[in-house]
Amino acid sequence: DSGVTQTPKHLITATGQRVTLRCSPRSGDLSVYWYQQSLDQGLQFLIQYYNGEERAKGNILERFSAQQFPDLHSELNLSSLELGDSALYFCASSTLDGNYNSPLHFGNGTRLTVT
Amino acid sequence: DQQVKQNSPSLSVQEGRISILNCDYTNSMFDYFLWYKKYPAEGPTFLISISSIKDKNEDGRFTVFLNKSAKHLSLHIVPSQPGDSAVYFCAASLGGTSYGKLTFGQGTILTVHP
Repeated sequence: DSGVTQTPKHLITATGQRVTLRCSPRSGDLSVYWYQQSLDQGLQFLIQYYNGEERAKGNILERFSAQQFPDLHSELNLSSLELGDSALYFCASSTLDGNYNSPLHFGNGTRLTVT
Repeated sequence: DQQVKQNSPSLSVQEGRISILNCDYTNSMFDYFLWYKKYPAEGPTFLISISSIKDKNEDGRFTVFLNKSAKHLSLHIVPSQPGDSAVYFCAASLGGTSYGKLTFGQGTILTVHP
């Protein structure tokens, strides 16, 4: 158990809809990362938050947004969903920002299916 | 453009023997490399890492080797155990403020036979 909690585990929704994925980091971790794993693209970095502030962005679509709340949990919002958004979405957390001694610890993911 | 490549989709090894998983990268600016293991229905689990200033790092049965001139890293597992059967991902980072922005390979499925 990594200590990173993601809810829900599974989500099935229709095209055009909006969903929210939730992540609670490990106790004490200030950084939260979101990754997408699709069949054709592998694991891809989406976005990072550190102590409530956006720190780094990857190839995250404009239809996607995220935030980190004062209690350090994070939410990833996906809107105007398309079939191609079907994927596993992983959240990860780490203690510090930019520290080699603080590897990322991943949650078990949310499987999103868009029909 | 796939900057981190794991060219072997799968590897099969006998219990007790050595498992060698390979990874190539193209971006010479990568500063930090990691290996993660993933079981079905779970998230990736951190195994071992290496900084670009080193060429070897060991942790128990796991050793990572880095050859910067060849832009190649490998993970050695000795001895291999059936519980090591999983998907192994190598990942690379530019370091600094991009430390957690990992670029992953496509993964290698390792099967260790009893």
